[in-house]
Amino acid sequence: AAGVIQSPRHLIKEKRETATLKCYPIPRHDTVYWYQQGPGQDPQFLISFYEKMQSDKGSIPDRFSAQQFSDYHSELNMSSLELGDSALYFCASSPGLKETQYFGPGTRLLVL
Amino acid sequence: ELKVEQNPLFLSMQEGKNYTIYCNYSTTSDRLYWYRQDPGKSLESLFVLLSNGAVKQEGRLMASLDTKARLSTLHITAAVHDLSATYFCAVDIVGGGADGLTFGKGTHLIIQP
Repeated sequence: AAGVIQSPRHLIKEKRETATLKCYPIPRHDTVYWYQQGPGQDPQFLISFYEKMQSDKGSIPDRFSAQQFSDYHSELNMSSLELGDSALYFCASSPGLKETQYFGPGTRLLVL
Repeated sequence: ELKVEQNPLFLSMQEGKNYTIYCNYSTTSDRLYWYRQDPGKSLESLFVLLSNGAVKQEGRLMASLDTKARLSTLHITAAVHDLSATYFCAVDIVGGGADGLTFGKGTHLIIQP
């Protein structure tokens, strides 16, 4: 079965640089979520989209922005990167509201 | 603010033994999830529990939900090494949108031969 696709899988950036993470949901899933997981931590919810509109907002820094496009893929844009942004970033998708969220493999971001 | 507490946070057990992981949450929830995560990997959905008294079983794992006590349990029966992983419970608040999940801190489970 098709799963959530995330790219890139690994990313190394310098402080103050920008990064763009991409997420391609499972086909026919219209809802996308972004989470950040620091080393040894639980995932923290950042932001979600339903039918290309922002739906819920969690602990997303102002330096980050995201959107969902007409083909339902989503991008998380991160600017002025800080050392503390180093983490695993997961995208999850679901076939509608209040449905099980299926997680992608994650993008491992390292900020030097 | 929704809080989700898991215990224990770390558990080392021997193969063949039984044990239970507990998940408490602080406010009314729409649904409760259990996820499994292997080191450096993604989160795999194990169970979704929707209503009071819900019980679901898959192999050696069984999850239950008591909404009145705001408590879910994940019971492991006759543990085997392959079940070693970190287990997270996650709660979806009551609401109508694409609400993000609030996770517990996770239970790091090691099963030794």
